[in-house]
Amino acid sequence: NAGVTQTPKFQVLKTGQSMTLQCAQDMNHNSMYWYRQDPGMGLRLIYYSASEGTTDKGEVPNGYNVSRLNKREFSLRLESAAPSQTSVYFCASSLADYNEQFFGPGTRLTVL
Amino acid sequence: SQQGEEDPQALSIQEGENATMNCSYKTSINNLQWYRQNSGRGLVHLILIRSNEREKHSGRLRVTLDTSKKSSSLLITASRAADTASYFCATEGNNRLAFGKGNQVVVIP
Repeated sequence: NAGVTQTPKFQVLKTGQSMTLQCAQDMNHNSMYWYRQDPGMGLRLIYYSASEGTTDKGEVPNGYNVSRLNKREFSLRLESAAPSQTSVYFCASSLADYNEQFFGPGTRLTVL
Repeated sequence: SQQGEEDPQALSIQEGENATMNCSYKTSINNLQWYRQNSGRGLVHLILIRSNEREKHSGRLRVTLDTSKKSSSLLITASRAADTASYFCATEGNNRLAFGKGNQVVVIP
């Protein structure tokens, strides 16, 4: 089992460009999450999906959209990237809401 | 929003010593979780303690929870260089999992 995979690992964007971060899990988990991690801020929840077909805003959703494509995949889209979105993005999954979460390796995004 | 706050923020110890970290939070919780993050990697779940539990063990890890003081502690016994990492507490309640800012632990060989 690969666990939680994320692509890409690194990305540099110019202000205003768009991109989609991909996440997939092979553990048959129901819940999936997107976090951002900034120095000194810990992890902050952007969006989550409690089950296939549902998505909800987290603590910092502005500037992002998500799609729960199927049970395995949960993507995060930046429509118009801003320098404030420079961060490390982590996808996670859990069998049920807020039980033990399994994290992907992260995507390091820089917006110039 | 409730959020775990770890203390101390940074800890440096010799290999073989014990490392203790504390986490405080503000509101009622269903469970509290501890995670480890090695540099440049994703978080790894270590242990979950439910609000009706007071102590839990997993290998060299011991977690306590005092809901009256809204605090938890993580003890790593007989530390190893491989324990060098950031440790995060996360509190679950009101359908949210809120992470603290993390605690950097350096174990010197």
